[in-house]
Amino acid sequence: QQQVKQSPQSLIVQKGGISIINCAYENTAFDYFPWYQQFPGKGPALLIAIRPDVSEKKEGRFTISFNKSAKQFSLHIMDSQPGDSATYFCAPHNDMRFGAGTRLTVKP
Amino acid sequence: DSGVTQTPKHLITATGQRVTLRCSPRSGDLSVYWYQQSLDQGLQFLIQYYNGEERAKGNILERFSAQQFPDLHSELNLSSLELGDSALYFCASSGQMGTGRNEQFFGPGTRLTVL
Repeated sequence: QQQVKQSPQSLIVQKGGISIINCAYENTAFDYFPWYQQFPGKGPALLIAIRPDVSEKKEGRFTISFNKSAKQFSLHIMDSQPGDSATYFCAPHNDMRFGAGTRLTVKP
Repeated sequence: DSGVTQTPKHLITATGQRVTLRCSPRSGDLSVYWYQQSLDQGLQFLIQYYNGEERAKGNILERFSAQQFPDLHSELNLSSLELGDSALYFCASSGQMGTGRNEQFFGPGTRLTVL
């Protein structure tokens, strides 16, 4: 069974700090690496995604870093804001096997 | 608004009962996925349908079943309900032709409470 390992399980960051969430996968055939954001009581929504032909993609304060050889990709949230407080899921290749989720809390 | 609709929003029922959750995918999306999310838990994939056919199966209990109809809407049937079935059930859709990506668009979920 394909494994997706996401860490950390929870993260508390001060406003203005950097939040980093990691995701490790096994299947080398995966070719799409998205992060989803879920606010309480809502369904997840795509936040940012990367294809393996680039090592980094930035959209505003959100950056994905991709390490193909290590089979890992990370989400970096720069200048974290209280409004970023949510649960983040990785879902390599949209394979239906989402990571366990990271609950991010950004303290004012 | 993702374009995916789910009904009902809330459902309260008793153990042993049977319920049906309904999902309408985004216009043009052929794939429908069902997920279960228990309190403070991750998303557990249950089942996927593509254009009316079962495509993939996850951790779906035998008491649960689903189908996708010719108009592409889907229903998830949960029977012999147990307390542990209380959870948020999400439907997602993907596969809109021409996009080249299979991003999943999630509905707002149905919160099931089994008493």
